[in-house]
Amino acid sequence: NAGVTQTPKFRILKIGQSMTLQCTQDMNHNYMYWYRQDPGMGLKLIYYSVGAGITDKGEVPNGYNVSRSTTEDFPLRLELAAPSQTSVYFCASLNRVGYTFGSGTRLTVV
Amino acid sequence: DAKTTQPNSMESNEEEPVHLPCNHSTISGTDYIHWYRQLPSQGPEYVIHGLTSNVNNRMASLAIAEDRKSSTLILHRATLRDAAVYYCILSVTTGANSKLTFGKGITLSVRP
Repeated sequence: NAGVTQTPKFRILKIGQSMTLQCTQDMNHNYMYWYRQDPGMGLKLIYYSVGAGITDKGEVPNGYNVSRSTTEDFPLRLELAAPSQTSVYFCASLNRVGYTFGSGTRLTVV
Repeated sequence: DAKTTQPNSMESNEEEPVHLPCNHSTISGTDYIHWYRQLPSQGPEYVIHGLTSNVNNRMASLAIAEDRKSSTLILHRATLRDAAVYYCILSVTTGANSKLTFGKGITLSVRP
């Protein structure tokens, strides 16, 4: 049982490039989330999904897109990378007790 | 979303109990009190949650005030591995409103 798996762990992007952060969970959870964490700060919600085919914006959605075609996968897309998107990105899923987070993707935009 | 207030930091000695306070004076009747912790360079980790009654699990205890406007996370015997940022968060646990709003948390340092 792997929990929540995020790939890649690290990535450096140039301004204007695009990329997809992958997130998959094997716990059959309906609720999934993407957060970003800037240095010394708490996590901010980017997007979330309550089930396959359903997504909604969180607190800081600008510059990002998501899709949820299956229960397992919840990828986060950056279309035109900007330095302000330099951050650590965490994916999470929710069960009846609490949230399980992935180990994060550290993204640097230069 | 209802907000929580935590001290910025706290120090403790190894093998001593630690009481981490949290104020949430605007808590609503449907809000659960969640605690998560984040070890260095890792994602947050679930610690405990509760609604009205005190809760215990293998990691910690959660003491909730009778008026629910404050709570305390209790680590019974701190270890060096407990050094982390601890987040106190209010949220419903089911339905489309199930979202966590993280503040800065409290940074716990543990002295050997």
